[in-house]
Amino acid sequence: GAVVSQHPSRVICKSGTSVKIECRSLDFQATTMFWYRQFPKKSLMLMATSNEGSKATYEQGVEKDKFLINHASLTLSTLTVTSAHPEDSSFYICSAREPSGRIYNEQFFGPGTRLTVL
Amino acid sequence: AQSVTQPDIHITVSEGASLELRCNYSYGATPYLFWYVQSPGQGLQLLLKYFSGDTLVQGIKGFEAEFKRSQSSFNLRKPSVHWSDAAEYFCAVGVGNDMRFGAGTRLTVKP
Repeated sequence: GAVVSQHPSRVICKSGTSVKIECRSLDFQATTMFWYRQFPKKSLMLMATSNEGSKATYEQGVEKDKFLINHASLTLSTLTVTSAHPEDSSFYICSAREPSGRIYNEQFFGPGTRLTVL
Repeated sequence: AQSVTQPDIHITVSEGASLELRCNYSYGATPYLFWYVQSPGQGLQLLLKYFSGDTLVQGIKGFEAEFKRSQSSFNLRKPSVHWSDAAEYFCAVGVGNDMRFGAGTRLTVKP
């Protein structure tokens, strides 16, 4: 149980275009999902926390207009990188948290999406 | 502020040798502690976690970790390393709604 998927696993796009990455919880309802960014040979940095039906909470330094997050249902959150530039190239990982009251604070991670902006 | 420190950026061990990866955390209360492994280009796989109870936690792939409150540590161990264990290992602390990751330790396994 507690499987999280991401789509696509890899995407290459031209500079200036927008890219959407999907994160789905396959066998549970996730009221909270998280988006992380990982630079090569670096750790995961939390970008934002998204709660179903409300606006995402962004970490300091993350441009909310560039990284649009939508959590429209209990099983789907999307991250849209708008007007992508080469410096946005990175590995993006999402996670989903089961509703509190079950497993406290445990996040289940997706397999990641490799974004390359040319 | 909460923090996680993995003092060793890179460790090399011989296949069959024992392994210990260090993790120290800074947090006022008992945190929720995790170890993840990441192979190149892959996502995170949970090795083990500590929420409460027995301070020695068994995980998958023969890994174990011990929570030591007095030392604010949660070191990961394996008695005999296999070549397939070569990967990046992340310690993480769960605090409230957040999860904070250490910088990671890259494990190289020599034949």
